[in-house]
Amino acid sequence: DAKTTQPPSMDCAEGRAANLPCNHSTISGNEYVYWYRQIHSQGPQYIIHGLKNNETNEMASLIITEDRKSSTLILPHATLRDTAVYYCIVRVYGGATNKLIFGTGTLLAVQP
Amino acid sequence: DADVTQTPRNRITKTGKRIMLECSQTKGHDRMYWYRQDPGLGLRLIYYSFDVKDINKGEISDGYSVSRQAQAKFSLSLESAIPNQTALYFCATSEQTGGNEKLFFGSGTQLSVL
Repeated sequence: DAKTTQPPSMDCAEGRAANLPCNHSTISGNEYVYWYRQIHSQGPQYIIHGLKNNETNEMASLIITEDRKSSTLILPHATLRDTAVYYCIVRVYGGATNKLIFGTGTLLAVQP
Repeated sequence: DADVTQTPRNRITKTGKRIMLECSQTKGHDRMYWYRQDPGLGLRLIYYSFDVKDINKGEISDGYSVSRQAQAKFSLSLESAIPNQTALYFCATSEQTGGNEKLFFGSGTQLSVL
């Protein structure tokens, strides 16, 4: 599975959009981009995933660049409860390496 | 997620002791995973199982073993615990549908080896 690079930490003002970047320059054509988050030592929580099209759900939006080498997770109106570590993961669908490998993520601190 | 239950929630043990961490799920998923988390290192995969007869090593399986007793149960054992196995351990399940594999995590077990 391709590796990802994320900034170790970011700040965001409450009520503003939080834009979390992820670099995955070695991504292959059949690898999906997943985002999870972990709130203070709880089990990680799924947020969103995509292959090449932009995706939106009730939690967030995922913007994937046309060359698929990077993506951005957008929390449109961040709240204090969004303070968490956000993980960007790429993985192949199917095949022998059919598992999710987490990196160190980005600690998002939402400020009041 | 209450559908994935880990026991115990906290455990303190001594070096050399055998420890078992248990995980049970009511989601009906075939796939189960054990991860450990250390400060600054994110989550690392220890073992995973895609069905009852399937066991696979992850990134850091040395010093650990697992047992998949049933679809709903996946246990992690430390045969002879050592201090650097002090960590937060998570069990997870998943069901793959289409291109999506969504993981559901338990609340974690904090293990301290003295």
